[in-house]
This record gives sequence, C-alpha cells and structure tokens, in this order.
Amino acid sequence: SQELEQSPQSLIVQEGKNLTINCTSSKTLYGLYWYKQKYGEGLIFLMMLQKGGEEKSHEKITAKLDEKKQQSSLHITASQPSHAGIYLCGAAPNSGNTPLVFGKGTRLSVIA
Amino acid sequence: ETGVTQSPTHLIKTRGQQVTLRCSSQSGHNTVSWYQQALGQGPQFIFQYYREEENGRGNFPPRFSGLQFPNYSSELNVNALELDDSALYLCASSSFFGETQYFGPGTRLLVL
Repeated sequence: SQELEQSPQSLIVQEGKNLTINCTSSKTLYGLYWYKQKYGEGLIFLMMLQKGGEEKSHEKITAKLDEKKQQSSLHITASQPSHAGIYLCGAAPNSGNTPLVFGKGTRLSVIA
Repeated sequence: ETGVTQSPTHLIKTRGQQVTLRCSSQSGHNTVSWYQQALGQGPQFIFQYYREEENGRGNFPPRFSGLQFPNYSSELNVNALELDDSALYLCASSSFFGETQYFGPGTRLLVL
C-alpha cells in the first residue's frame, strides 16, 4: 500500500521567513493534494498536482511535483501568522483519484 | 468555507454505545467519503458513497457502517464503541469520485 512521508514533522519560523515542506511517496503519484488544517478542524484544499514537473501557486504558496512523480514540495514565501496550521499531503493511490492516502502532516508555527 | 457541513461538532460517548454522525455534501456533489483522524495522525479512509452505493472501503471493521441518502447527504454509524474510536471524523464531498474532495469541519468523538 502507498505511504506518504512528510518532513519536517514540525516547523517554527519567524514571520517573514520562507519555508519548505516535503512529501515523499513510496509509489508513483497519480495525483497529489495539499490541504491545510487548523488545529482540530476540517481540511482546507490548497492545490492539486498531477503532471510530473507541474508547479502551481496560490498567493504566497507554491507547490511542485517532481518529474518522477514521487515527491512534492510546498513552499511558503514571506510567512505570516495566518499560514500557521497543519499541512497535509494526500495522494491518489490510482488513476481514479480516490480515496486519498494522507501523510501525518507538518505542523507550522509562525512567530512574530 | 466549502459548503460541507457536519453534525454534531462534538460528542462524548461511553464504551459499547452506538453513535451516528451526519454530513451534508456541497451542492452539486454526489460523492461522500468518510475519514477518521486520530490525534497527531493524517486522516484514514473509512468508506465512500457514490449515488447511494458504497464505492470503496478502507481497513475498518464492519461495526463502522454508512448510508447515503437521495439528496447525497450521508451518515456514519459506529456500533459497540471502543476507546480507540476517539478521533476527529471528517466527511468530504466531491462532484464525482475522481474529483477534488472538499472537507467539512469534522465531528470530534470522545469515547470514555
């Protein structure tokens, strides 16, 4: 079965700094989803990547899927307190896109 | 907000009891998936419903059961509750079982 490993597990950054979160899959990714979760709440959809080499951006968040489609990175530029939360990557285990297999998440704290 | 709603928001039960959680999907969505998220873990897939039929199931025992109604809302039922069932239960809807899933705010269940 497919497994996703996220690194780092947690991250504390100073406001205004850039950061990167990685997600590595044990198998080829058919679709890779990034979600953000505020503590104890639902998941907010950020981006979905499907093609090797694909890169998408939304506001100050950029996600990439590597060419071999087994790793994705999420980069936040000039972090703000509103970026704090848990970032989860979810993978579609086959071409049907569901159900999703998730990593354990990366907990991000942004301090002033 | 995604338009996916869940009720109740919090619930406390004792071991051996039964519980029903409810989910209203986003308008236009006919697929609902349920996930269990234990503390510090990523969501784990329980099952999915597409047009009122179960369309896939994760590694959960039969005491976890579900329903989907003609309006595509859904229920998750758990019988004979165990302490390990304490978790955040998330519902996600999509316009088709291969499309992006949008999550509700979750129901936090505590089993004592």
